Amino acid sequence: GENVEQHPSTLSVQEGDSAVIKCTYSDSASNYFPWYKQELGKRPQLIIDIRSNVGEKKDQRIAVTLNKTAKHFSLHITETQPEDSAVYFCAARGGYSTLTFGKGTMLLVSP
Amino acid sequence: DTEVTQTPKHLVMGMTNKKSLKCEQHMGHRAMYWYKQKAKKPPELMFVYSYEKLSINESVPSRFSPECPNSSLLNLHLHALQPEDSALYLCASSQVSGGEYEQYFGPGTRLTVT
Repeated sequence: GENVEQHPSTLSVQEGDSAVIKCTYSDSASNYFPWYKQELGKRPQLIIDIRSNVGEKKDQRIAVTLNKTAKHFSLHITETQPEDSAVYFCAARGGYSTLTFGKGTMLLVSP
Repeated sequence: DTEVTQTPKHLVMGMTNKKSLKCEQHMGHRAMYWYKQKAKKPPELMFVYSYEKLSINESVPSRFSPECPNSSLLNLHLHALQPEDSALYLCASSQVSGGEYEQYFGPGTRLTVT
């Protein structure tokens, strides 16, 4: 089955800095890669996703890149704000059409 | 409307109780999911329903019994749970096909087993 590795497990940045979270996946058949943000006590919220036929996607301060050859994808957040503090999960949709999640990255943005 | 709703928000039950969790969506999604999430861990898939039929059971103990009465509703029946079953139970939904893979989560039910 699919295996998703996510790094780092925690990331501390100053407000205004950029943050990058990286994930690798094992199943070359995976074709969809979402990123979820989960604030404490709340539901995972889909913030951006990318399909395997696209190399990069951007939505305001958030961007995702995908390297199919290397089987890795990354989340980039620019001009971070304290409200970006949360746990971020990457995921990959594999052969059984289910999502396999990474272990999560706790992002802390200090004012 | 991209909302999935779940009831109750919180549930405390004893190990001999029987209770049910409910999930509802009106996005026309024909795939619905139950996940279990422990603190500081990713969601862990339990069950998948596709067109109201159980398609995936991730070797979940029989004390958890899912039910999909119609395309909008998903239930999870609980019986004789153990304290280690205490967790956040998340429901999610998505399209089954057509390239629309986005999966949306409900707010979850915080379950405590005493």
